[in-house]
Amino acid sequence: DQQVKQNSPSLSVQEGRISILNCDYTNSMFDYFLWYKKYPAEGPTFLISISSIKDKNEDGRFTVFLNKSAKHLSLHIVPSQPGDSAVYFCAAKGASSNTGKLIFGQGTTLQVKP
Amino acid sequence: EPEVTQTPSHQVTQMGQEVILRCVPISNHLYFYWYRQILGQKVEFLVSFYNNEISEKSEIFDDQFSVERPDGSNFTLKIRSTKLEDSAMYFCASSQQGLSSYEQYFGPGTRLTVT
Repeated sequence: DQQVKQNSPSLSVQEGRISILNCDYTNSMFDYFLWYKKYPAEGPTFLISISSIKDKNEDGRFTVFLNKSAKHLSLHIVPSQPGDSAVYFCAAKGASSNTGKLIFGQGTTLQVKP
Repeated sequence: EPEVTQTPSHQVTQMGQEVILRCVPISNHLYFYWYRQILGQKVEFLVSFYNNEISEKSEIFDDQFSVERPDGSNFTLKIRSTKLEDSAMYFCASSQQGLSSYEQYFGPGTRLTVT
């Protein structure tokens, strides 16, 4: 199942700089997208989400951009902090799913260097 | 801040044995989920549960799996006869929905090891 893809397995960024995590999807019927952060031995933690009717959503240091024509979304973290080092997953919900079933990407490991 | 809890954190069982994984969702949430993540692979949806019944399930969720909300607070996943390939992290999640949002909040997971 490759409906949601995160093509970069890892990303390394200097503290204070911008981190940009990318996600591509193939199913045009997805209507809601979410980003989760995961530390080792913990469950995914919800970060930020965006409806398909929007192209941007911002929450503090985190901004998600959605480009529906390109079937692409990205998460921007500004400024990056060492505590942001974790695995980041994008996830998508299909419009046909009334129960909110999420389809996850493979994850990108972000390392923020002090 | 309310959170989803799961027990046990680690369960070791022999192939063919039954296991029950337990979850306490966030109290005012209405939708409950189980996902799993096999080592090195994606987080995969197993099942969603609403209004005391299964509302959606994946092809992974075969007759060996069942879910139950026995007492209004716990939400359990039972695997009747475990196989080696059931070894994974199992995550419970819950969601309010109905508020133009679909955020799911995940528990810390149960690591299931089948030997």
